[in-house]
Amino acid sequence: SQTIHQWPATLVQPVGSPLSLECTVEGTSNPNLYWYRQAAGRGLQLLFYSVGIGQISSEVPQNLSASRPQDRQFILSSKKLLLSDSGFYLCAWSVQEGSPKFFGPGTRLTVL
Amino acid sequence: KQEVTQIPAALSVPEGENLVLNCSFTDSAIYNLQWFRQDPGKGLTSLLLIQSSQREQTSGRLNASLDKSSGRSTLYIAASQPGDSATYLCAVFSNDYKLSFGAGTTVTVRA
Repeated sequence: SQTIHQWPATLVQPVGSPLSLECTVEGTSNPNLYWYRQAAGRGLQLLFYSVGIGQISSEVPQNLSASRPQDRQFILSSKKLLLSDSGFYLCAWSVQEGSPKFFGPGTRLTVL
Repeated sequence: KQEVTQIPAALSVPEGENLVLNCSFTDSAIYNLQWFRQDPGKGLTSLLLIQSSQREQTSGRLNASLDKSSGRSTLYIAASQPGDSATYLCAVFSNDYKLSFGAGTTVTVRA
């Protein structure tokens, strides 16, 4: 069966510090991978998606970047965090032709 | 740009009542619509997925309808239970890889 892992579960970081969130998927090959952010009281916003290794599309201009070094690994990064980067980050995957249906447990990021 | 709106933002009902959650979207050119459940501080669980060619989907006590032409979907939860307390999110897949979410309806079922 397919599973999706995210870590860490929670993170508290000072403004200006770097960030690295990792997502891995098991039990499937060549998935589409996604990073979403959920700000308090708001819906989910698509940040990045990837259709293959090294292929990243960005949805909104921002302080974050994403990388896909392996087929089932998706990393969200920042060189210098801002207060506005605080939120709940969710990784998701889908089959190549499908919409995101499977979400990870999420990472709660607080930037102080 | 697809805009997804969910009404009401919050709902509190006594146990046993039926729940009706509404979702509307601005662009009717969609591939599918999903309803998700989110428990506090956790990821999402897909409840129902309705393809654009379908009118409704059912799973147990859950029933979701889709009227693509009017840009509306409704999630019905029959005979609510305290375990149904959660935030319910509506999401529309309207372009390649773009899943647009509503802000959610937070449901509280009182025992």
